[in-house]
Amino acid sequence: DVKVTQSSRYLVKRTGEKVFLECVQDMDHENMFWYRQDPGLGLRLIYFSYDVKMKEKGDIPEGYSVSREKKERFSLILESASTNQTSMYLCASGTGSVRTEAFFGQGTRLTVV
Amino acid sequence: SQQGEEDPQALSIQEGENATMNCSYKTSINNLQWYRQNSGRGLVHLILIRSNEREKHSGRLRVTLDTSKKSSSLLITASWAADTASYFCATVGDYKLSFGAGTTVTVRA
Repeated sequence: DVKVTQSSRYLVKRTGEKVFLECVQDMDHENMFWYRQDPGLGLRLIYFSYDVKMKEKGDIPEGYSVSREKKERFSLILESASTNQTSMYLCASGTGSVRTEAFFGQGTRLTVV
Repeated sequence: SQQGEEDPQALSIQEGENATMNCSYKTSINNLQWYRQNSGRGLVHLILIRSNEREKHSGRLRVTLDTSKKSSSLLITASWAADTASYFCATVGDYKLSFGAGTTVTVRA
C-alpha cells in the first residue's frame, strides 16, 4: 500500500509558538505539496517542492516556510503561529510534473489558541 | 488565486440518480484530475484526463474536458449513499497541482 503519513492527526498550539508539521511518503515521488483547507475555500496551496532542497511558493505562503532535506520528507513550519492559521493541513505527493495521480495524507487539524 | 472553480457548490440527489458537477479553470494545463473527500479525511484520486483527451470513463464515472472553454465535467451515474462526499477538480500545470473549492454531494437513500 502506498502511503503518505502526516505526523499528527490533531494538534493544539499556542499563539506565537513555532510549529512543525511533518509529512513522509514512501513512493519515491519527486513532488510534494502542502495545502490548507478551510470551509468554503477548498484546498489552497501553501508551498510545493519538485526536488530535494527545492521549494516553490504556492498561493498563500505568508506566515509559512518549508524544508525538504530528504526526498521522502517535506516539513511545513509555522514560524510564529497565529489564530488565523487554525485549519486542516493536507500533505500530498506525486510523480514528476504530477503526470499521474497524487496521494494525500490523512490531514492534520491544527488549532492555535 | 485558485485555478479551478466547481459548480454547483452543493448538490442533493436521490439514490439511483446521476450527479453532474462542472469545473472551470484559468490557465493552460497538462492534465486535470478529480478527487473525492469523505468528511474530515484526506483526498482520494478518482480519475485523470490529459489535455489531449476529450472524454474518459472509469466504472460509474465519466469525465469530459473542453480545453477551448477551459472546463471539465464529472458525471457519477446511478449514485449510491456511499457517494456522499465532496468532489474537487485539480489542474496540473508545470509542477503545480491546484484545486478548486469543491462540490458537496449528498445522496439521499
